[in-house]
Amino acid sequence: NAGVTQTPKFQVLKTGQSMTLQCAQDMNHEYMSWYRQDPGMGLRLIHYSVGAGITDQGEVPNGYNVSRSTTEDFPLRLLSAAPSQTSVYFCASSNGRGTEAFFGQGTRLTVV
Amino acid sequence: GNSVTQMEGPVTLSEEAFLTINCTYTATGYPSLFWYVQYPGEGLQLLLKATKADDKGSNKGFEATYRKETTSFHLEKGSVQVSDSAVYFCALTDTSGTYKYIFGTGTRLKVLA
Repeated sequence: NAGVTQTPKFQVLKTGQSMTLQCAQDMNHEYMSWYRQDPGMGLRLIHYSVGAGITDQGEVPNGYNVSRSTTEDFPLRLLSAAPSQTSVYFCASSNGRGTEAFFGQGTRLTVV
Repeated sequence: GNSVTQMEGPVTLSEEAFLTINCTYTATGYPSLFWYVQYPGEGLQLLLKATKADDKGSNKGFEATYRKETTSFHLEKGSVQVSDSAVYFCALTDTSGTYKYIFGTGTRLKVLA
């Protein structure tokens, strides 16, 4: 069972470029989310979705877009990459309040 | 709002030493509490969880008890191994009616042989 799959694993972008980080889950979870992990700051929520067609902003949404057209997929788009977006990005899914989240392996993004 | 505070690392221990990583939280209502572990180059994995007061979560020799009176969920292990070297995150589910999770900043553990 695959769980949560993120692609790519590594990416280098130039400032101003755009790209999409892919996230897919095969557990039929309603809730999906994107986090960024920076040294000393833990995980910060970027965007989340409580079901297909429903998305909302987390604590650090600026510079990122999301959409949720299916239950399985939750891509994260960087509109115009900036060095401040250099980070490790994690996608997670869960099936309800109070239950644990399942995480992907992460995408290490460097913006130069 | 809800928040999680965990002790700063790094924590360096010798093999077979006793481990405690402190975690306290602020929340209205009754959140679920979690400990996640992150090994180098990997995503977060659930280590243990507790869903109500006085529950004890346990896994792989690690334990944590949901203490509502002290708003704490400290992680303990009686005898650590080199393979336990990782970053440990305390987390809770938001109680404001969303599906959000709130994470602490993580504590790096290094176990020396």
